[in-house]
Amino acid sequence: GAVVSQHPSWVICKSGTSVKIECRSLDFQATTMFWYRQFPKQSLMLMATSNEGSKATYEQGVEKDKFLINHASLTLSTLTVTSAHPEDSSFYICSAREDGTRYYNEQVFGPGTRLTVL
Amino acid sequence: GENVEQHPSTLSVQEGDSAVIKCTYSDSASNYFPWYKQELGKGPQLIIDIRSNVGEKKDQRIAVTLNKTAKHFSLHITETQPEDSAVYFCAASTDGAGGTSYGKLTFGQGTILTVHP
Repeated sequence: GAVVSQHPSWVICKSGTSVKIECRSLDFQATTMFWYRQFPKQSLMLMATSNEGSKATYEQGVEKDKFLINHASLTLSTLTVTSAHPEDSSFYICSAREDGTRYYNEQVFGPGTRLTVL
Repeated sequence: GENVEQHPSTLSVQEGDSAVIKCTYSDSASNYFPWYKQELGKGPQLIIDIRSNVGEKKDQRIAVTLNKTAKHFSLHITETQPEDSAVYFCAASTDGAGGTSYGKLTFGQGTILTVHP
């Protein structure tokens, strides 16, 4: 079946630094990928929709200059948390929609990346 | 936009019992309702889904029912096992191409299911 990977699985960084998280569709092409953030004991909140070859669409309240998304190929989207602060510590999850599927809303989720900002 | 409410927030059952989790949604245009299981430190895994053209779907010990008139859907797990212990999320989405809600999933708040041996 369709598999999505994320790298790294966890990262610890100092306040003020930037961190890049990769999301890859391993065995399928994905024009559209999604980025979610999940705080402890809470639900998944959509941050942005990433489209290959175009600018990402951010959800209301998400700072586009802080969370930079680049979807440069049909199998890779990256999320860069710029000038990270402790409040950015969270579990970041990506998902991908396989090109050519019958339905637009089926998503395959990655394993998540745990970000801790000290 | 869509709003999904999920209940209960926690559910504790004995091994072998059934577990039921319920969700309601607000947008009558929603037509896709997946359920995900999330284990600690992992991403969500799709366990079953249903589309609005059917009222019930079953896969071994797991079933989902949908009532479009009342705008609610439920997950049923029978013969629960300790390995079923996890957080379960419902979600709702429209299957329309284009528009601001293009394929986006709205998640419920989650249910922590604990199955005691």
